[in-house]
Amino acid sequence: KAGVTQTPRYLIKTRGQQVTLSCSPISGHRSVSWYQQTPGQGLQFLFEYFSETQRNKGNFPGRFSGRQFSNSRSEMNVSTLELGDSALYLCASRGPGQGPGELFFGEGSRLTVL
Amino acid sequence: QKEVEQNSGPLSVPEGAIASLNCTYSDRVSQSFFWYRQYSGKSPELIMSIYSNGDKEDGRFTAQLNKASQYVSLLIRDSQPSDSATYLCAVSNLDSSYKLIFGSGTRLLVRP
Repeated sequence: KAGVTQTPRYLIKTRGQQVTLSCSPISGHRSVSWYQQTPGQGLQFLFEYFSETQRNKGNFPGRFSGRQFSNSRSEMNVSTLELGDSALYLCASRGPGQGPGELFFGEGSRLTVL
Repeated sequence: QKEVEQNSGPLSVPEGAIASLNCTYSDRVSQSFFWYRQYSGKSPELIMSIYSNGDKEDGRFTAQLNKASQYVSLLIRDSQPSDSATYLCAVSNLDSSYKLIFGSGTRLLVRP
């Protein structure tokens, strides 16, 4: 069974640009969450989607947005990039029968903002 | 005060010893508790979940939960060098159960 797939794995952007990250969950998983990981703040929750509906959102500015498609694939978008957005963005999926926090993480998309 | 606190370490133990990792949380309505392991350069991997007071054992791992003291711990018996990683404690609350709040992690080093 394939794991959670995130693309791209690495990307470099400049301030003011926007970026879209993609996540394909494990087959059969309908819940997709996004987290930001930085050395200073650790892992922070961005949002969670289930059946194309956002169920939870973290304390991030409106520049951070996401969506989920009918096939459970998800994208997140960051507009007007700032230097502080440099981070590892992790997507995680959860399958039926698993507890709310029992997540399978992808390898992440490492974003560098110059 | 951080919502989930962990000692950053590193916690250094010899091979074969018991490693004890601790985590405290501030929100009394926290309902579910998780331990994730993250190897350097890799993504987090769930190793234990615990939902009620007491101990839960899975192989060499034992999670302990004390809701009255707002404390959760992870014991690793017979520690191996391959256990060297950062261990992340995470909690979720009843009112936002799909949002995990992570601690900053404890780095564990198992010396051969």
